[in-house]
Amino acid sequence: ILNVEQSPQSLHVQEGDSTNFTCSFPSSNFYALHWYRWETAKSPEALFVMTLNGDEKKKGRISATLNTKEGYSYLYIKGSQPEDSATYLCASPTGTASKLTFGTGTRLQVTL
Amino acid sequence: ETGVTQSPTHLIKTRGQQVTLRCSSQSGHNTVSWYQQALGQGPQFIFQYYREEENGRGNFPPRFSGLQFPNYSSELNVNALELDDSALYLCASSLALGQARRRTDTQYFGPGTRLTVL
Repeated sequence: ILNVEQSPQSLHVQEGDSTNFTCSFPSSNFYALHWYRWETAKSPEALFVMTLNGDEKKKGRISATLNTKEGYSYLYIKGSQPEDSATYLCASPTGTASKLTFGTGTRLQVTL
Repeated sequence: ETGVTQSPTHLIKTRGQQVTLRCSSQSGHNTVSWYQQALGQGPQFIFQYYREEENGRGNFPPRFSGLQFPNYSSELNVNALELDDSALYLCASSLALGQARRRTDTQYFGPGTRLTVL
C-alpha cells in the first residue's frame, strides 16, 4: 500500500448502533498513525496518535487499535450518537518533516 | 476549538490573481503546516515551517510560497491562481521539541479558508 486508504467512504447508522471503519497505511518505515474527527464547518479535531503495534486507545465511546505489521488501524464507536456525525480521517506522517499523508476519510452519519 | 485561527474564512478570486491566506498558531507552538483539501480528497500537504524556516514541501509548484513570522503565525501565498486552486486551505500548528518526535506531534488544525477561483 503506497497511500493511506480508508473504508468505507461513507456510513449511515442508527442512534445506538456500534460501528467501525478501517484505515490502511504503508507498513514499512512506520512512525505513527493519527486519527482526526472533522465535523462540518469546524476544525479537524485530533483523536489519537498511535505508535505501538497492538496499541489500543480510548476516548469516551471511541476507541482505536493499531496493527503496524499488516498496516491497518480500526476506529470503533460504541453506541453511536447524532453528535458523532462527522468525517473521520486517518493520517500517516512521512518524510523528514511531520508531513501528514491523509486518507480520504469515512463520513459517518448517525440518525435518530 | 484548537486555538488555531485562519483568515479570511472565504475568498473569491479570478484566474491569474494572487492571494494571501493567514494563520495564527496555537499559543506556544513553533511549527505550522499548510494543507490543501480539494473536493472529495483528503488534505494534501503543501509545506511546513519550523521556527521561521521551510521544513519540508509537498508536490506543489513554486507559485505556492509561505512565510512564518517570529510570533510563529504564518502566511500562505499563491500566485497566478488557477481554477484548480479552488479548495479549502487548512493550517495546523504543533510544538516540535526535537527532530525525532515530530512524527508523533499532534497537529492542531484551524477551520480553514475556502478559496474559490473563477
